[in-house]
Amino acid sequence: IVLTQSPATLSLSPGERATLSCRASQNIRNYLAWYQQKSGQAPRLLIFDASNRAIGIPARFSGSGSGTDFTLTISTLEPDDFAVYYCLGRHNGHQITFGPGTKVGLK
Amino acid sequence: QVQLAQSGAEVRKPGASVKVSCKVSGNSFTSYEINWVRQATGQGLEWMAWMNPKTGNTGFAQAFLGRLTVTRNISTTTVSMELSGLKSDDTAVYYCVGGADLNYWGQGTVVTVSS
Repeated sequence: IVLTQSPATLSLSPGERATLSCRASQNIRNYLAWYQQKSGQAPRLLIFDASNRAIGIPARFSGSGSGTDFTLTISTLEPDDFAVYYCLGRHNGHQITFGPGTKVGLK
Repeated sequence: QVQLAQSGAEVRKPGASVKVSCKVSGNSFTSYEINWVRQATGQGLEWMAWMNPKTGNTGFAQAFLGRLTVTRNISTTTVSMELSGLKSDDTAVYYCVGGADLNYWGQGTVVTVSS
């Protein structure tokens, strides 16, 4: 499968709402996860199974969608949230594909 | 919770092979599947392979079929990946990642391929 993320770059200010999209080329049901990566660090799991927050992830992060269209929403951006966000889709059992990423940057 | 500790940085010439190990601790070795993911500088994440440490079953991304091997050592609770036929564009940070949702990330191993 191919995962497409949009936009590639999002320029926002702290306190604003961020809406990130991930589209799959075929139906992956709810097998979609979201990760945050900051420069020089390993990625961190935010959301699994499309809408479940991982342990320790703040409530301002939420995920939605199923099938081919998925959304990650950050309700109110904190300074710590400026990073690159990747979606991951699981298909054919254990095959995994990452999206190309969306960079959330400071306006 | 599981902790993943990877082996150190490697430098190889084109055509050579590299083996990166991932020591699993903090929980039962067979509890979490292990994935391998790499990231070239300034680029995105690329999934390479997975292993079920309990059964030894593996799966590979199409791009790596035939030149990637993933093995385990139950006695040392270590999973290793070996990539052969190295090219300059294999230069990247290689991560081992535990959990079906790729919850737990190792610190990464820098592999540099250069003549």
